[in-house]
Amino acid sequence: DTGVSQDPRHKITKRGQNVTFRCDPISEHNRLYWYRQTLGQGPEFLTYFQNEAQLEKSRLLSDRFSAERPKGSFSTLEIQRTEQGDSAMYLCASSSRGGSGYTFGSGTRLTVV
Amino acid sequence: SQQGEEDPQALSIQEGENATMNCSYKTSINNLQWYRQNSGRGLVHLILIRSNEREKHSGRLRVTLDTSKKSSSLLITASRAADTASYFCATDASGGSYIPTFGRGTSLIVHP
Repeated sequence: DTGVSQDPRHKITKRGQNVTFRCDPISEHNRLYWYRQTLGQGPEFLTYFQNEAQLEKSRLLSDRFSAERPKGSFSTLEIQRTEQGDSAMYLCASSSRGGSGYTFGSGTRLTVV
Repeated sequence: SQQGEEDPQALSIQEGENATMNCSYKTSINNLQWYRQNSGRGLVHLILIRSNEREKHSGRLRVTLDTSKKSSSLLITASRAADTASYFCATDASGGSYIPTFGRGTSLIVHP
């Protein structure tokens, strides 16, 4: 297992389209996090799973955003009816337990045109 | 919301010099972490320091934590051009659910 994998690396979509991103965490990590990062800013928390349970969601996660982790392994983040303001880097991270440090994927860069 | 704030926002130094970045935070923490991010890439975990620790070293990195001042510093000694990146601090708030909260970062440029 070489780390956290995210797919795709880049996504360009037209405004109004739906997009889905995938994150494969480190296999023994039961905690999975999604963040959004815009240019010049630090990552902003979106949502967090422990195993398959989505335990916390940020107010940034509007109704157009949904995340799943159906079997406690990989996770998907879907954005419906994309807007230009959704353009950002979407980062996934995983950890084995709280307070132990977090491993990030390389991110999916979304551009909404 | 941003929990940590790094200072300075940008730092430009010559290879071989030391680079010091500071992080201030607002609430009590379980631990504080430092990450590096190269342009357009994901974050790489550098070092984690727990709230009951005052100093940690890892290679050319030295991190200090002062919980009374709610601040931390990251020192990179003998910097190299390859250290050019953005550096972020992140905190796990105490009593919370271990969700790291990041600052806006320090952009470090090391000139060869």
